[in-house]
Amino acid sequence: NAGVTQTPKFQVLKTGQSMTLQCAQDMNHNSMYWYRQDPGMGLRLIYYSASEGTTDKGEVPNGYNVSRLNKREFSLRLESAAPSQTSVYFCASRDEGGRGYTFGSGTRLTVV
Amino acid sequence: GENVEQHPSTLSVQEGDSAVIKCTYSDSASNYFPWYKQELGKRPQLIIDIRSNVGEKKDQRIAVTLNKTAKHFSLHITETQPEDSAVYFCAASKGSSASKIIFGSGTRLSIRP
Repeated sequence: NAGVTQTPKFQVLKTGQSMTLQCAQDMNHNSMYWYRQDPGMGLRLIYYSASEGTTDKGEVPNGYNVSRLNKREFSLRLESAAPSQTSVYFCASRDEGGRGYTFGSGTRLTVV
Repeated sequence: GENVEQHPSTLSVQEGDSAVIKCTYSDSASNYFPWYKQELGKRPQLIIDIRSNVGEKKDQRIAVTLNKTAKHFSLHITETQPEDSAVYFCAASKGSSASKIIFGSGTRLSIRP
């Protein structure tokens, strides 16, 4: 039982490049989330998916797209990376009892 | 939408003393309040949570209190130890599994030996 798995762990992109961050959970959770964490800013919600087939914007969705590929997988795509997207990205899922998240180990992204 | 404010942003206490972190929330419909601990370079981990039908909850050296009327909730750590040094986040949510969780900006707690 791996919980929430994110890939890659580290990535350096040039401005304008695109990439997809992958997230998968094996806990049979319906809800999945993408957050970014910047120093002094806490965790800000980018997008979330309450169930397979649905996605909704969070607090900071601009510059990102998501895909809920199936119940297990929720990917985050940067179409044209910008230095302002340098951050640590966390994927999370939430259990049916409504308790707090289980987080993945994070992706540290640097855009130069 | 929900807004969660957290204070202080940094806190330094002597080992063995108590630490208190305070949060306020804006949405009266929020009914679930988790707290997370994040060690340097690690993922946030849930340490304790409380629902709005409960005023206080304890788990060994940590406790949370909730004042629904004032929309305040607090984390109390007693007999602090070096391993308590971390960033702590409060959060608020409407409690269903589909609801998003909104986080405070975090408190960096340092335990002085």
